[in-house]
Amino acid sequence: QKEVEQDPGPLSVPEGAIVSLNCTYSNSAFQYFMWYRQYSRKGPELLMYTYSSGNKEDGRFTAQVDKSSKYISLFIRDSQPSDSATYLCAMSGDNQGGKLIFGQGTELSVKP
Amino acid sequence: GAVVSQHPSRVICKSGTSVKIECRSLDFQATTMFWYRQFPKQSLMLMATSNEGSKATYEQGVEKDKFLINHASLTLSTLTVTSAHPEDSSFYICSAGDSSYQETQYFGPGTRLLVL
Repeated sequence: QKEVEQDPGPLSVPEGAIVSLNCTYSNSAFQYFMWYRQYSRKGPELLMYTYSSGNKEDGRFTAQVDKSSKYISLFIRDSQPSDSATYLCAMSGDNQGGKLIFGQGTELSVKP
Repeated sequence: GAVVSQHPSRVICKSGTSVKIECRSLDFQATTMFWYRQFPKQSLMLMATSNEGSKATYEQGVEKDKFLINHASLTLSTLTVTSAHPEDSSFYICSAGDSSYQETQYFGPGTRLLVL
């Protein structure tokens, strides 16, 4: 079993839809949770950073962390074609030496 | 957000040559930088962790003599692919850790290497 599981998709939605992306993990020591967006042939771009449990909102993006269930989510409201990309969850803990553990990435396509 | 640059963005070389890739943190100091490799439609694979002023730590299965890493300053790390072969063709991405934003990494734009 991988430390971080993420549905690779692909996920296709119409423009304006609410998108839900999820990751589960097994290491209870993880405390730092991130979502990255990666466009084709580009480096990942940090979208959201959350420490421990809770919600965080930034514009159309909301990140949720439920440590009791070892489950994190990224919601995208009013999705746009420009949101089409691969979304990677990443997480770490104090015992990881700064390393991030990534999910497999979910490929999202938002159709106009 | 913090900016990390990578150079070159793309390189094509002949088999047997060495290729150097530079990674720079432009607006913050990075005591730790990371080098990843990514194959099409796959997630990032960590190759090594580079700490300023000390030897890099390589992940299991990564040949340290093949992939030479130097982290000479708080803003620059280099990856040299020595005696490159076609199987080394890949997308190489660096990231820099910002200690003020705990455990977060900022990624460079990546370098696409094609070895003929």
